[in-house]
Amino acid sequence: AQSVSQHNHHVILSEAASLELGCNYSYGGTVNLFWYVQYPGQHLQLLLKYFSGDPLVKGIKGFEAEFIKSKFSFNLRKPSVQWSDTAEYFCAVSNLYNQGGKLIFGQGTELSVKP
Amino acid sequence: ETGVTQTPRHLVMGMTNKKSLKCEQHLGHNAMYWYKQSAKKPLELMFVYSLEERVENNSVPSRFSPECPNSSHLFLHLHTLQPEDSALYLCASSQAGASSYNEQFFGPGTRLTVL
Repeated sequence: AQSVSQHNHHVILSEAASLELGCNYSYGGTVNLFWYVQYPGQHLQLLLKYFSGDPLVKGIKGFEAEFIKSKFSFNLRKPSVQWSDTAEYFCAVSNLYNQGGKLIFGQGTELSVKP
Repeated sequence: ETGVTQTPRHLVMGMTNKKSLKCEQHLGHNAMYWYKQSAKKPLELMFVYSLEERVENNSVPSRFSPECPNSSHLFLHLHTLQPEDSALYLCASSQAGASSYNEQFFGPGTRLTVL
């Protein structure tokens, strides 16, 4: 069965620090990859996605992620975090040909940014 | 209204009650989903509807009963729930077809408390 693992459950950073959140998945075939963010009291929003092409994907709010197929990883990065980046971040994977568009989510990483 | 809306936003119910959660998407999508989000756990996919037909039921107990009367509306009927069913219930939608099929748009969720 497919699974997604996010290594960090809670990350605490100061403003302007660099961020990297790990995400590994178990499926060996062609995948679509996503990072979603959930700000406090708000709904899940798509940060960025990878379907094909350049493995370095740029998303909203200065976030980027790199797909490394050999490592089954899709880590999220931001060079300089802001207090407003405080949120929970979810990595998700979908099998390209999965009927029903099923997304498998990781357990989430809570990011707290100190002003 | 834009995006995906869910009502009610908060619901408290006893174990013998019957209630329904409603989801409406205004994006012209043809696939809709119910997820359960519990603290410190990955999002759990419950049901998937594609073109108004249920295509996946992830071994969800029968006390949860989905209904998809058309491509814009999705319901989750609840009866004789247990306290462990307390969670945030998220609705999502996507557009079937091509590689965008798996990009899902989420509603704000219904926070359910079962007493």
